Amino acid sequence: EIVLTQSPATLSLFPGERATLSCRASRSVSTYLAWYQQKPGQAPRLLIHDTSSRAAGVPARFSGSGSGTDFTLTISSLEPEDFAVYYCHQCNHWPRTFGGGTKVEIK
Amino acid sequence: EVQLLESGGGLVQPGGSLRLSCAASGFTFSDHPMGWVRQAPGKGLEWVSSIGSVGDATLHVDSVKGRFTITRDNSKNTLFLQMDSLRAEDTAIYYCARRTNVWLDSWGQGTLVTVSS
Repeated sequence: EIVLTQSPATLSLFPGERATLSCRASRSVSTYLAWYQQKPGQAPRLLIHDTSSRAAGVPARFSGSGSGTDFTLTISSLEPEDFAVYYCHQCNHWPRTFGGGTKVEIK
Repeated sequence: EVQLLESGGGLVQPGGSLRLSCAASGFTFSDHPMGWVRQAPGKGLEWVSSIGSVGDATLHVDSVKGRFTITRDNSKNTLFLQMDSLRAEDTAIYYCARRTNVWLDSWGQGTLVTVSS
């Protein structure tokens, strides 16, 4: 099973700041890596697929990069609605797995 | 607009059974593989099961193999998860999700399953 390790667990930032979230895989997942955003009481929302492709309707301030075992989600300038939990997800191997999440909170 | 509406959750005793349903609309259901993902209270996401677009290629996470069965009825645009021999650790919100290519690109709002005596 591929283990995805996200860091940091919590990121405390001000609106307008840049957020950098990390996801490390226990072995290569090629570029089959996605990012989801989840707000309290809501279902996850797909933000990024194939490492760097934004899903429909996702603002350009969200970007993804990486390959193999190391991936990054960057939010260039945090808006109030971006404070949420973010999960990475690999779709290269069965079973599919998710990272433990990074909570982006308002400082 | 893609809509996925789960139902069938509730309180069940350990060892009991539940059948979850997910009614799909707003897209051609039979074109898409589907899946179930769960989230224990206050915890992260866990992939549970996947099924191919025509009901083939079913897969389950090891912790539910032999207890859960994923099926679908394309004539009724509905996805199912039959859950037997339920355990306390199966307590979670269960989300159904649509797969496009390999990605889960649309999710329902979830249904809560609580396993407790």
